[in-house]
Amino acid sequence: SQQGEEDPQALSIQEGENATMNCSYKTSINNLQWYRQNSGRGLVHLILIRSNEREKHSGRLRVTLDTSKKSSSLLITASRAADTASYFCATAKPSGSARQLTFGSGTQLTVLP
Amino acid sequence: GAVVSQHPSWVICKSGTSVKIECRSLDFQATTMFWYRQFPKQSLMLMATSNEGSKATYEQGVEKDKFLINHASLTLSTLTVTSAHPEDSSFYICSAPRTGVGRAGANVLTFGAGSRLTVL
Repeated sequence: SQQGEEDPQALSIQEGENATMNCSYKTSINNLQWYRQNSGRGLVHLILIRSNEREKHSGRLRVTLDTSKKSSSLLITASRAADTASYFCATAKPSGSARQLTFGSGTQLTVLP
Repeated sequence: GAVVSQHPSWVICKSGTSVKIECRSLDFQATTMFWYRQFPKQSLMLMATSNEGSKATYEQGVEKDKFLINHASLTLSTLTVTSAHPEDSSFYICSAPRTGVGRAGANVLTFGAGSRLTVL
């Protein structure tokens, strides 16, 4: 079964608006990562947040992590049409092995021009 | 940055034939590669872990004889779907752990572009 559950499953916003996606997980983690997937393509790593971090920024991306609630959020500010893609969270167990990276169900983001 | 090349990007074959998908790390060595399967609008399901110089590790429920994995060198892993059937039609994606990104770098994956298999 999937470790991460994401919501919403689909999100449609206007260009310029902010997009927020949430991810919940069930077991202890070493870190949590967000990946982006354009339709019919592979995944691209966006950002990694360690279990001892609460917030991290990268450009227009802001990730938060609440280990007490076992949840994370990805905020994309000032969205652009090119941000249209599926976004997946992925959790790594405390052992740190890449084999143990488990992907969530994904959020399909559509940014309307 | 780390680049993983995967091909073919799409393939159509007749039922009963075998299809080979290649995954190459172009600018780094990958002793481990991962093969995922993805159904439309769904998440990635790890099929197997490919290990250079040794046997692949398959996830529960994945048929070893159906999905043959060979990791012949530090830059190449192949997935062969043997005697393919329509239910094997899917999007297959490979990835390799990215190195040199600090202690947490071992968790970060670089993905190939994926291969869409359609079995008629």
